[in-house]
Amino acid sequence: DVQMTQSPSALSASVGDTVTITCRASQDIFNYLNWYQQKPGKAPNLLISDATNLKTGVPSRFSGSGYGTDFILTISSLQPEDIATYYCQQYDNLRSYTFGQGTKLEIK
Amino acid sequence: QVQLVQSGAEVRKPGASVKVSCKASGYSFTGYYIHWVRQAPGHGLEWMGWIKPNSGDTKYAQKFQGRVTMTRDTTINTAHMDLSKLRSDDTAVYYCARVVIGPWDYSMDVWGQGTTVIVSS
Repeated sequence: DVQMTQSPSALSASVGDTVTITCRASQDIFNYLNWYQQKPGKAPNLLISDATNLKTGVPSRFSGSGYGTDFILTISSLQPEDIATYYCQQYDNLRSYTFGQGTKLEIK
Repeated sequence: QVQLVQSGAEVRKPGASVKVSCKASGYSFTGYYIHWVRQAPGHGLEWMGWIKPNSGDTKYAQKFQGRVTMTRDTTINTAHMDLSKLRSDDTAVYYCARVVIGPWDYSMDVWGQGTTVIVSS
C-alpha cells in the first residue's frame, strides 16, 4: 500500500505569510493527489485535485504542485479564515485511497 | 442543490453493529461512487471504501474487510454503510462523499455532514 507522509504536522503563521505543506508518497503516484481543507466540526472540503487543479470557487491564493512522490500545497497571503487542518489524499487506478496524517494550521 | 444528507448519531455496545445512511439529492445518484471516510476523535481521516450505485460493486480498505458492508438503494438514492463487531476504537465521525464515475476525476467533491458513532459499554 502507498503510504503518505505529510509535514509539518502543525504550523503557526501570520496573516499575509506564505505557507507550504508537503506530502510525500512512498512510491510514484504520478499526479494522483488531492488536497482537502477541514475546519473544526465540519466535513472536509476539496481544494485541489490531480495535484494542481484548483477547484472552482477556491481562492487563488491556494495552489498545488508536484509529481511522482513529492507534492506541495501553498497558501499565499494567509488569511484568518484559512485556519484549518489540511490533508493530502492519494488514489490509485484501482480506486484505493489513502490520506496523509494532516497538517494543523494556526495563526500566530 | 447537490447534497448528501446522513442519518443521525448512534450509540452502540461493543460487539454490536451499526448502519449509517447517506441520502443523495440534486444530482444523478448512479453517476457517482459513494465513498465512506471516518475520523476518530482528535485523529485524521481514514478511507473505508466505496460503492458504485449503478452496479452495487464495492471496494473496501483492507483494514475493514470482513467487518464492513456497503449497500445502496437506487429507488431512494441512498447508500448505507454497515460496520459490525464494533470496538471502542470504532468511535468516530463517519462521512460519506461522492466521486464521479469516470476516468477524469478521482476527487471527493461533495461530502455528507457526518454521523457520530459512539461505541461504549
